[in-house]
Amino acid sequence: SYELTQPLSVSVALGQTARITCGGNNIGSKNVHWYQQKPGQAPVLVIYRDSNRPSGIPERFSGSNSGNTATLTISRAQAGDEADYYCQVWDSLYVFGTGTKVTVL
Amino acid sequence: EVQLVESGGGLVQPGGSLRLSCAASGFTFSSYDMHWVRQATGKGLEWVSAIGTAGDPYYPGSVKGRFTISRENAKNSLYLQMNSLRAGDTAVYYCARGAVAADAFDIWGQGTMVTVSS
Repeated sequence: SYELTQPLSVSVALGQTARITCGGNNIGSKNVHWYQQKPGQAPVLVIYRDSNRPSGIPERFSGSNSGNTATLTISRAQAGDEADYYCQVWDSLYVFGTGTKVTVL
Repeated sequence: EVQLVESGGGLVQPGGSLRLSCAASGFTFSSYDMHWVRQATGKGLEWVSAIGTAGDPYYPGSVKGRFTISRENAKNSLYLQMNSLRAGDTAVYYCARGAVAADAFDIWGQGTMVTVSS
């Protein structure tokens, strides 16, 4: 079965840029989606099809995907960006990444 | 406002059954694929089942043969019948809407907790 690997945690200084990676075999050939989940809340879609933002998602959130790694970038990080982030693809079934906890220092 | 509201969670003994419901509002329910996704406490997300607009169901191997997804478009409702429940099925179960033209989940409910324990 297809696996997606994410770092357990990422720390970023307030106002700086955080990059969260999602590794998978030839993931660049797939559409990657990203979700933000704050404690006690349901996930929220923040990026779909590699680099597209749903309405209401700030431009500070961006995505890219190439080779074996997809990346979610959070620019000008704010305290409210602290959350768990999950990548997701379709590979005969829906597969989620292991999740990354983002801490804003 | 687009909204999904789950209900039906609770405590059930191993081997027991439970039926979850999801009430949709604010969009044309019949036009969207719908899904169930679960999350064990402190763990990641796991897709549990999907149903297409034509009522075609899909399951991962972990629940196939035990779980049944269904929908009732006239009532804007999604269901998950869970049988032969195991301790490993303990999780928050989310109802989610399938995004158009993307294999993603664009709207999520708040979740309902299912605990399988004796």
